[in-house]
Amino acid sequence: KNEVEQSPQNLTAQEGEFITINCSYSVGISALHWLQQHPGGGIVSLFMLSSGKKKHGRLIATINIQEKHSSLHITASHPRDSAVYICAVSHSNTGNQFYFGTGTSLTVIP
Amino acid sequence: DTEVTQTPKHLVMGMTNKKSLKCEQHMGHRAMYWYKQKAKKPPELMFVYSYEKLSINESVPSRFSPECPNSSLLNLHLHALQPEDSALYLCASSQGEDCAYEQYFGPGTRLTVT
Repeated sequence: KNEVEQSPQNLTAQEGEFITINCSYSVGISALHWLQQHPGGGIVSLFMLSSGKKKHGRLIATINIQEKHSSLHITASHPRDSAVYICAVSHSNTGNQFYFGTGTSLTVIP
Repeated sequence: DTEVTQTPKHLVMGMTNKKSLKCEQHMGHRAMYWYKQKAKKPPELMFVYSYEKLSINESVPSRFSPECPNSSLLNLHLHALQPEDSALYLCASSQGEDCAYEQYFGPGTRLTVT
C-alpha cells in the first residue's frame, strides 16, 4: 500500500474551471510537497507545506496535519496548466527523502 | 541561479556500451539525488549524496555507478544495461538532506537501451 495516495488519477477540465487535486498520507511528515511535471520530463516544485495554506498566483495549496490531507487548487484553469501534479512527503525521521504519490494527470481543454 | 542542468538530454546505448550521465548545480546545495522514472509512474529514488558522500543507495544494481567529484557535480556511470533500464533519469538537489527542503529537479536524460 502506497503511503501517499492521490485522487483523482486523471482529470479533464474546461478552461476557466476551478480544479482540486487531493493527497492523503499515512505517516508522520515534516513537510508535504506539490510538484508539477510537464510532458517531456522536468519537474518543478510548486509548494512545500508543513501547515496551513500557501498561494502562488492561481495556485493554492492547503494542508490539514490532523487529518493527514492536502489539497492543490487551481483557479481559472488554463490549457498551459495541463501537466501531471505529484504530491510527495518528507517523513519525520528520514530527512529529505521524498515519498511520492502516483500523480494526477490534468488536461485543461480550451 | 536556481537551475539544475543535465546532459545529455537523450541517450541511446547498446547493452555492451559504457556511458555517463552528468548533473550540475551552482546553488551551493549539499545534497544531490538520482531518480529513475518510468512512463506514467512517479520517480523512484536511486542514490543520495550528502556533502559529496553517498548516503543512500536504494539497492540499485551495480551496473549503475554514481560519482560525486565535487559539490556541484553528480555523475551516473552506466555499464552493461538492460532494455528494462530504459527510462527518464532525473537529477535533483537540495540545501541538505537532514530535514525537509525543496528539491530542485533537472530536465532529465531520456535513456533508451537497445
